[in-house]
Amino acid sequence: SQQGEEDPQALSIQEGENATMNCSYKTSINNLQWYRQNSGRGLVHLILIRSNEREKHSGRLRVTLDTSKKSSSLLITASRAADTASYFCAGNTNAGKSTFGDGTTLTVKP
Amino acid sequence: GAVVSQHPSRVICKSGTSVKIECRSLDFQATTMFWYRQFPKQSLMLMATSNEGSKATYEQGVEKDKFLINHASLTLSTLTVTSAHPEDSSFYICSASGVNLRNEQFFGPGTRLTVL
Repeated sequence: SQQGEEDPQALSIQEGENATMNCSYKTSINNLQWYRQNSGRGLVHLILIRSNEREKHSGRLRVTLDTSKKSSSLLITASRAADTASYFCAGNTNAGKSTFGDGTTLTVKP
Repeated sequence: GAVVSQHPSRVICKSGTSVKIECRSLDFQATTMFWYRQFPKQSLMLMATSNEGSKATYEQGVEKDKFLINHASLTLSTLTVTSAHPEDSSFYICSASGVNLRNEQFFGPGTRLTVL
C-alpha cells in the first residue's frame, strides 16, 4: 500500500496564484522528495528535504517537513501555466526504498 | 551527474510475448535499483528492489516468475515481462541509488509498454 497520501487530489488555480500541496506518510523516513510528472512522461526531481530539516527553498518552490506530524507540504509561488502537471511526494527509508503518495494533479489556467 | 537511462522508451508487443526493459546508471555505480509500475492516472507502485549480484526482493502481490529482474552489474538492471498480457500494459520506471549518493534515488525516464 502507498505510504503517502496527498491532498488535494486535484487543484485548479489561476496563473500567478500560489499552489499548496500536502503529503502525509506513515513510517519513519530518512528524507522526502517531491517530483513532478507531466502526462505520460517520466519523473522530474524537484527537491529533497532530509529528516533533520524543516524547510527548504528552491526557486519558486518551498517545501516543509514536520516529522512529528509525518507530513510535508510543497508550495509553488507565482504559478505559471507550465507548472500544470502531477506532483508526487516520496518518502525514502534508510533502506533507500521510496514509497510514493497518490499525487496531486495541478492545473494552472492562463 | 547521477543519470539513469531506460531502453526502450516505448514498446508495443503481442499478447504472449516477453519484453525486456533495461535500466542503466550512466555515471555512477548503482548498488540498488528499484522497479516501479504506474497505471494511468495513478501513482507509482514499487514492484521490486534489486541489489547487484543478488536476487531481487519483490513487493507483495508482484509475481516474481512473471516479472524477472536481473541486476548483473553495477550499471545495469533488466526487467523482463514474461508472457505479457494486455493487463500488463503500463508505464515502467526504474530508479537507482548508489554509494556516496546519500540514499537519494535517481529515476529513469520510463518505458511505456502496450500489450495488444
